Amino acid sequence: GEDVEQSLFLSVREGDSSVINCTYTDSSSTYLYWYKQEPGAGLQLLTYIFSNMDMKQDQRLTVLLNKKDKHLSLRIADTQTGDSAIYFCAENANAGNNRKLIWGLGTSLAVNP
Amino acid sequence: DVKVTQSSRYLVKRTGEKVFLECVQDMDHENMFWYRQDPGLGLRLIYFSYDVKMKEKGDIPEGYSVSREKKERFSLILESASTNQTSMYLCASSPDLGPETQYFGPGTRLLVL
Repeated sequence: GEDVEQSLFLSVREGDSSVINCTYTDSSSTYLYWYKQEPGAGLQLLTYIFSNMDMKQDQRLTVLLNKKDKHLSLRIADTQTGDSAIYFCAENANAGNNRKLIWGLGTSLAVNP
Repeated sequence: DVKVTQSSRYLVKRTGEKVFLECVQDMDHENMFWYRQDPGLGLRLIYFSYDVKMKEKGDIPEGYSVSREKKERFSLILESASTNQTSMYLCASSPDLGPETQYFGPGTRLLVL
């Protein structure tokens, strides 16, 4: 079935780059997403990438998509303490007419001063 | 800006009570979703709706029901609350067109005693 996997924890030093990785199984996904959740809050869309793209850059964020390996990554340049949060990877499930997203469990990013 | 609001940020109820969680979105989105989020389990879809009066079961519908009488409002009902329904409940909405991005409310943290 459809599945999205992420590592659960990542710790980096302030100013370094963070790379959060994700693998997915549904090759028919048309969009893949990165969401951020700060403590006690809802999820906030960071960025998404269309499946026919290899890369998308938005200020400090770079998304890389390797469709052959079904691998998605999010790179955060110059990581700040305000980037400490849980980051979720998701793909849209194209089966049927259901508009569902398939979610990873989230990667908890800790930024140390 | 898309706005998704949830009726309460925190709620304390007793076992056996009927609980209503309300969600309202102001962007005329067709699709609305209810998730629960628990540590180590990520986001789990309870129910979703792709049109007024339409509903579909998600991955964990047992013990819950939903109502969508108006396009902007999606209610989650716990018919008889139990302690294992203590959780963070997140509502989201998404449009039919485009990248199907889901927009989230701030969440309701429910404690069932």
